[in-house]
Amino acid sequence: DQQVKQNSPSLSVQEGRISILNCDYTNSMFDYFLWYKKYPAEGPTFLISISSIKDKNEDGRFTVFLNKSAKHLSLHIVPSQPGDSAVYFCAASAGRGSTLGRLYFGRGTQLTVWP
Amino acid sequence: EPEVTQTPSHQVTQMGQEVILRCVPISNHLYFYWYRQILGQKVEFLVSFYNNEISEKSEIFDDQFSVERPDGSNFTLKIRSTKLEDSAMYFCASSPQGISTDTQYFGPGTRLTVL
Repeated sequence: DQQVKQNSPSLSVQEGRISILNCDYTNSMFDYFLWYKKYPAEGPTFLISISSIKDKNEDGRFTVFLNKSAKHLSLHIVPSQPGDSAVYFCAASAGRGSTLGRLYFGRGTQLTVWP
Repeated sequence: EPEVTQTPSHQVTQMGQEVILRCVPISNHLYFYWYRQILGQKVEFLVSFYNNEISEKSEIFDDQFSVERPDGSNFTLKIRSTKLEDSAMYFCASSPQGISTDTQYFGPGTRLTVL
């Protein structure tokens, strides 16, 4: 089951620079996308989401871009901070009518922000 | 800030034994979920639960698994006869209304080790 793919297992970025995490999906029924951040020994923490009717959503240092034709989304973190070092999961859902169905997760990308 | 809690944080059991994993979703949330993550693999959906019944379940959620909301606050996952391959992190999540623009909030997880 590879409906959501994060092809980069790791990313290393210097503090203050931009981090770009990528995610691809194959299921054209997906209409809601989320990014979660996960620290060791903790559960995934919601970061930001985007509906398929939008192509960009911004929240502080975090921006998610959605390219539906390419079935691709990306998370931009500007500026990156050492506290951002974590595993970032992309997740997608195919809304079942008005209800939120299961989330399909990518394998995650380990982001390391170094000083 | 309200959060999902899970107990125990780590459960060790012998193969063939029954285990019950417990979760307290965020109060006033209506949809509840269980996911699991086998070491090195992606987070996988198990089941969603609404209005005291299963809303959706994955192919992983076979007859060995059951869920229950025994009272107004707890949400449990029971594995009737554990197998070695059930060893994983189990995450509980909840969402306010389960609508397509909702976010699922995750607990810290229970690490299940089957010997």
